[in-house]
Amino acid sequence: EDKVVQSPLSLVVHEGDTVTLNCSYEVTNFRSLLWYKQEKKAPTFLFMLTSSGIEKKSGRLSSILDKKELFSILNITATQTGDSAIYLCAALNAGGTSYGKLTFGQGTILTVHP
Amino acid sequence: DTGVSQNPRHKITKRGQNVTFRCDPISEHNRLYWYRQTLGQGPEFLTYFQNEAQLEKSRLLSDRFSAERPKGSFSTLEIQRTEQGDSAMYLCASSFRGSGNTIYFGEGSWLTVV
Repeated sequence: EDKVVQSPLSLVVHEGDTVTLNCSYEVTNFRSLLWYKQEKKAPTFLFMLTSSGIEKKSGRLSSILDKKELFSILNITATQTGDSAIYLCAALNAGGTSYGKLTFGQGTILTVHP
Repeated sequence: DTGVSQNPRHKITKRGQNVTFRCDPISEHNRLYWYRQTLGQGPEFLTYFQNEAQLEKSRLLSDRFSAERPKGSFSTLEIQRTEQGDSAMYLCASSFRGSGNTIYFGEGSWLTVV
């Protein structure tokens, strides 16, 4: 059965800190790893990573995928209170009728204090 | 607004009643997904359509749940004889094969069974 595990489950930091969120996966027919941010509503898309070792950046957020070790990290530098949210990673399946199906981790709850 | 649209956004129902949620995907997206999310958990896959064909249904989905996408556009998710354990947020998402499979979520429909 496909499985995605995130760590830590929760994290409390102060503004300006840098955080690293972890995501490991065991998915048959793996295609891509996606990161989402969720703030009391539906998840909003952050990154999709398909190739190993290529960093993707968007402002203070960056992410990278290691397909050999089956994990991804999401880094947030100079955190702000607006970064407080649940961060979800999800593995995208590319096999047969499961093509396009996402398997989510349980999420990391990030709280940034002023 | 050209995003994924879901309604109703909130539904409170008595145990044993039937409820139906509707999802309108992003225009021209041929794939549509339903997920369920409970507090403290990542979204859990329920079912998936490509055009009007339902390609996969989670083993965790009981016979009380049924989903349709009759014309390959909007979709409905019906829950019959609701139970308190059905209380959750029901998320709809859509994607277009060939766009890198980025999956976009709607705002979700909150169900509370009392």
